[in-house]
Amino acid sequence: GEDVEQSLFLSVREGDSSVINCTYTDSSSTYLYWYKQEPGAGLQLLTYIFSNMDMKQDQRLTVLLNKKDKHLSLRIADTQTGDSAIYFCAETHSGYSTLTFGKGTMLLVSP
Amino acid sequence: DTAVSQTPKYLVTQMGNDKSIKCEQNLGHDTMYWYKQDSKKFLKIMFSYNNKELIINETVPNRFSPKSPDKAHLNLHINSLELGDSAVYFCASSQGSRRETQYFGPGTRLLVL
Repeated sequence: GEDVEQSLFLSVREGDSSVINCTYTDSSSTYLYWYKQEPGAGLQLLTYIFSNMDMKQDQRLTVLLNKKDKHLSLRIADTQTGDSAIYFCAETHSGYSTLTFGKGTMLLVSP
Repeated sequence: DTAVSQTPKYLVTQMGNDKSIKCEQNLGHDTMYWYKQDSKKFLKIMFSYNNKELIINETVPNRFSPKSPDKAHLNLHINSLELGDSAVYFCASSQGSRRETQYFGPGTRLLVL
């Protein structure tokens, strides 16, 4: 079955860049996503990338996809304390979509 | 003008009770989902409906019964609640094949005592 793995915790200082990594096993993944969950809140879609792309940039966010290694990363430039949250990597593949999530990476940004 | 809404936001109940969680989306989407997030924050799909028809039914106890009265609503009824059902339940919606636009509700925090 599909599996999505993430490191569980990342701590950075305000102003630094954060890089959150994710690996997946399903080679038929079509879309890969990053969601953000703030404490006590729901999931917010941050960005996504289609599997035929290798990079996507959206303001402070840069997504890199290495399809050969099945590795996805999310880089947050100039990380702010408001970026502290859990970040979930997720993938979906052909057919009606359901998201397979990683276990989430807790990002802690200290002043 | 909330896109995906769930009620209630919090639900505390005793073991053995039956409860329902409601979800509504005003995005005009045709596909809706229920996900369960356990205490370790692990998110897993439970059900998916497309145009009121069940299309995904993961390995979920049959105490859980989804119902979709129309495209904009997907409710989740849980019979004989157990301690292990305590979790956050998220509803989501998307427009068919536009997988990049799966929107989530705020979650319903269920605690079974």
